[in-house]
Amino acid sequence: GAGVSQSPRYKVAKRGQDVALRCDPISGHVSLFWYQQALGQGPEFLTYFQNEAQLDKSGLPSDRFFAERPEGSVSTLKIQRTQQEDSAVYLCASSQLQGGYSNQPQHFGDGTRLSIL
Amino acid sequence: AQSVTQLDSHVSVSEGTPVLLRCNYSSSYSPSLFWYVQHPNKGLQLLLKYTSAATLVKGINGFEAEFKKSETSFHLTKPSAHMSDAAEYFCVVSVLNTGFQKLVFGTGTRLLVSP
Repeated sequence: GAGVSQSPRYKVAKRGQDVALRCDPISGHVSLFWYQQALGQGPEFLTYFQNEAQLDKSGLPSDRFFAERPEGSVSTLKIQRTQQEDSAVYLCASSQLQGGYSNQPQHFGDGTRLSIL
Repeated sequence: AQSVTQLDSHVSVSEGTPVLLRCNYSSSYSPSLFWYVQHPNKGLQLLLKYTSAATLVKGINGFEAEFKKSETSFHLTKPSAHMSDAAEYFCVVSVLNTGFQKLVFGTGTRLLVSP
């Protein structure tokens, strides 16, 4: 498809398990962003990639969160030893150019809804 | 710091009546502002964007927003609501951050449309 694809759409895990969330950006898009959206809240920035380089990870809540984009296309967000407060929708977005252009839109996937029991 | 405040958590309108979703921004320089819409269990879709060109911005699906610097506002309007407009709407400011533009979202306004 032509849009940003995220998998799985829903993930249920027990507290303490590790999870991996996948994002397939629009082909050729340089910039990739991860956001966390808690229930009833707006999305909050987690991390930013320009091609394979992770240029900002200041929004990652703890060292249990890790993101990678090894070949500059598909990205994976990994959460180790999950906690109940990790329950949220995780959104991925991509944009065509480098992240410094303010007028380029970010294209969002439908998100992965993570529930930690 | 740049931020946006959405003044209403819920707005209810009847189909065919005007829509007004309010947003105020805080920015130390001329901001880039956006409105995104999110339908249930879906991702975010860009409605419109303001980047210091015309102050009245037209978007998709009949929505528009006006940038008012004197009031630090960027309210979203539509002349006539449709049932399909029922969704969550986010006002967003773009913040220049170490070489890239980071989106900062408001808390959202849920638009309810009744027949």
